Amino acid sequence: LAKTTQPISMDSYEGQEVNITCSHNNIATNDYITWYQQFPSQGPRFIIQGYKTKVTNEVASLFIPADRKSSTLSLPRVSLSDTAVYYCLVGAPNILTGGGNKLTFGTGTQLKVEL
Amino acid sequence: GAVVSQHPSWVICKSGTSVKIECRSLDFQATTMFWYRQFPKQSLMLMATSNEGSKATYEQGVEKDKFLINHASLTLSTLTVTSAHPEDSSFYICSVPLGSYNSPLHFGNGTRLTVT
Repeated sequence: LAKTTQPISMDSYEGQEVNITCSHNNIATNDYITWYQQFPSQGPRFIIQGYKTKVTNEVASLFIPADRKSSTLSLPRVSLSDTAVYYCLVGAPNILTGGGNKLTFGTGTQLKVEL
Repeated sequence: GAVVSQHPSWVICKSGTSVKIECRSLDFQATTMFWYRQFPKQSLMLMATSNEGSKATYEQGVEKDKFLINHASLTLSTLTVTSAHPEDSSFYICSVPLGSYNSPLHFGNGTRLTVT
């Protein structure tokens, strides 16, 4: 299982762009990179997923370099409501096809957004 | 809307009693579901993989006789914490992989268990 390393915490202010980087040096060829957001006393919520290069959706962008050994979650113009823990996971979560592996959560990054 | 429903959202029980937590996949037939446990200020720890129609697969260090998992249908998995003790107090979360090989997991909202 690919192990991930993220900063434990980050602080930002409303309106700023926040970039959270995750290292995953032993990522496997079939692994995808998925980011989740978790608020206190709630289950994690899917943010974005990618395999390589750049992925963008309505809430975030995900940048993945060619070697795929790291990835960066970019949150544009954060607000107070973005204060949460962000987890980077590497793997293929769906084992229905006989492939993939179980996803293991790392420590996550506690993002605190202030006024 | 929610695709995974977890019930109850919180429960308080006395030491020695058993508690059942339900995880339902609302829009998808799930042959596999995952159960996690999360202690305060810590990350999620995978406890077991629930397999429809067969035995669950437990992670190392998780007591299968204490945390009973039943996945009797394609939409329901249950986790029963047997003979609960205060140290079992935690936040329990289920997840369901949806769709294709690389589909992300969808999580329930979790169950806060407090054992007194």
